[in-house]
Amino acid sequence: AIQLTQSPSSLSASVRDRVIITCRASQSINSALVWYQQKPGKAPNLLIYDASTLHSGVPSRFSGSGSGTDFTLTISSLQPEDFASYYCQQFYDYPVTFGGGTKVEIK
Amino acid sequence: EVQLVESGGGLVQPGGSLRLSCVASGFRFSDHYMDWVRQAPGKGLEWVGRSRIKVDSYSTEHAASVKGRFAISRDDSKKSMYLQMNSLKTEDTAMYYCVRSSGLPAYDIWGQGTMVTVSS
Repeated sequence: AIQLTQSPSSLSASVRDRVIITCRASQSINSALVWYQQKPGKAPNLLIYDASTLHSGVPSRFSGSGSGTDFTLTISSLQPEDFASYYCQQFYDYPVTFGGGTKVEIK
Repeated sequence: EVQLVESGGGLVQPGGSLRLSCVASGFRFSDHYMDWVRQAPGKGLEWVGRSRIKVDSYSTEHAASVKGRFAISRDDSKKSMYLQMNSLKTEDTAMYYCVRSSGLPAYDIWGQGTMVTVSS
């Protein structure tokens, strides 16, 4: 199975900070990388698919980049509602796998 | 409104069985692959399995961790997907989510989840 390694596992940031989360795949997955946001007690929500395509309704401060094995999720200006956990997922091959998650906390 | 609603979770003893259901509304259920994803308390997300559509012979896939113990099925007439869980282990304790997994190369619709606790 393709392994996804997210870093950092957690971070503390302030409102209006720029935040970057990385996801590294154990083999090339082309651009078949997805990002989700999950708030406590809730199901995850789709943010970005195909590595860089913003899902409908997702604010433009979120962006994704990368291909092959290295990917990033960037939040250009962190807002109060963005404090949450973020997960990457690969849709390239079975079984679909997830990264371990990144928890974004308030500094 | 596009929606997935899971039910059937609860407390069960190790070795026991449970059947989860997922009912869809607001979209053409029969056109979509559907997956189960779980999340143990305080942990990350884990794919459990997939249900494909009629044109793919309703074939299924299951994660290695549940193969032989869990079985996914669907009933398009009821817009429903099921997860039959047998020989449950304490490590199966998790929130179980039903997700739509075709259309976009991503899970664009998630249910609210149903909690399964395996404990004596």
